Amino acid sequence: RKEVEQDPGPFNVPEGATVAFNCTYSNSASQSFFWYRQDCRKEPKLLMSVYSSGNEDGRFTAQLNRASQYISLLIRDSKLSDSATYLCVVAYYGGSQGNLIFGKGTKLSVKP
Amino acid sequence: GAVVSQHPSRVICKSGTSVKIECRSLDFQATTMFWYRQFPKQSLMLMATSNEGSKATYEQGVEKDKFLINHASLTLSTLTVTSAHPEDSSFYICSALLDREDYGYTFGSGTRLTVV
Repeated sequence: RKEVEQDPGPFNVPEGATVAFNCTYSNSASQSFFWYRQDCRKEPKLLMSVYSSGNEDGRFTAQLNRASQYISLLIRDSKLSDSATYLCVVAYYGGSQGNLIFGKGTKLSVKP
Repeated sequence: GAVVSQHPSRVICKSGTSVKIECRSLDFQATTMFWYRQFPKQSLMLMATSNEGSKATYEQGVEKDKFLINHASLTLSTLTVTSAHPEDSSFYICSALLDREDYGYTFGSGTRLTVV
């Protein structure tokens, strides 16, 4: 079983739509969770961290369910500029180092 | 703040040659840097972890003699792909671990390597 699994998509949605991405992780020792955004041929950029209590940043809402080892990202009122690949990322920490495990990403395409 | 400058952004080289990729932390000291590789439609895969002043730790399946990592200073880490082959063509990205309680990371802009 892969460590971090995501639906690869693509998700093709019209502007203004609400879209949700899901992610599952296999290692219960995972300590931190993130959603990154990656534009085509660019480096990944942190979109938001995911907290146990759930957190919201504007149109973006992230949820974490540790019991089910499941993470989600909800995007409301989609914009054309939201088109990108969204990476679910899980972090493990040991000593002074960290290690990020990336999912393959879910591709979102927002159409006019 | 916390910017990592990576270059070159794109390089084409002939089989058998070596290519060096640099990552510099511009406004902070990067004690730890990570090197990732991403093949098309694949996730980023960690290749190695480098700590300033010590040998890099390579992930399983990554040839340390082929992918030479040097982290001689707190602001510079380099990855050299030696004797490159077409199958080494990929997107290489470095990431610096920020010395903060939340273990933040910042990424370089990536290097697209094409070996012909």
